Amino acid sequence: QKEVEQDPGPLSVPEGAIVSLNCTYSNSAFQYFMWYRQYSRKGPELLMYTYSSGNKEDGRFTAQVDKSSKYISLFIRDSQPSDSATYLCAMSADGNKLVFGAGTILRVKS
Amino acid sequence: DTEVTQTPKHLVMGMTNKKSLKCEQHMGHRAMYWYKQKAKKPPELMFVYSYEKLSINESVPSRFSPECPNSSLLNLHLHALQPEDSALYLCASSQTGRETQYFGPGTRLLVL
Repeated sequence: QKEVEQDPGPLSVPEGAIVSLNCTYSNSAFQYFMWYRQYSRKGPELLMYTYSSGNKEDGRFTAQVDKSSKYISLFIRDSQPSDSATYLCAMSADGNKLVFGAGTILRVKS
Repeated sequence: DTEVTQTPKHLVMGMTNKKSLKCEQHMGHRAMYWYKQKAKKPPELMFVYSYEKLSINESVPSRFSPECPNSSLLNLHLHALQPEDSALYLCASSQTGRETQYFGPGTRLLVL
């Protein structure tokens, strides 16, 4: 069993939809949680960072961490074609060694 | 500014060549990382430098040799690579190694 599980998709939604992306994990020591967006042939771009549990909102993006369920989510409101990318969840116990999910390919159709 | 720069953007090398990848950040970060990413896969950690000292080597073959000349620069020296080493090589940095990591755009390497 992988330490971090993420559905690779692809996930295809119409423009304006609310997108929900999720990861589950098995290591209870994880306390740093991140979401990265990666466009084709580019480096990952940090979207959201959460330490420990809770919710965090930044514009159209909301990140949720539920440590009791070992489950993290990223919500994208009013999705745009420019949001089409691969979304990677990443987490760490010490902040140094990131463990990534497989990445979910998102396609937003206009 | 959260910019990490990497040069070159693309690199093609033969199996007998020696080349180097360069990474630079001017955010005052004291932890720097090398990752390897194959197509349609997540990044895999290779090396971690903390305060200019190598702190993690994820059992990477010796044909990859990292170097941290100062707190802003990170190099990856390549020698006698194999075709299966072709990948996107990503550099990242974080403030002290206990916060989030910021990635550069990567160097796309092709080994012939």
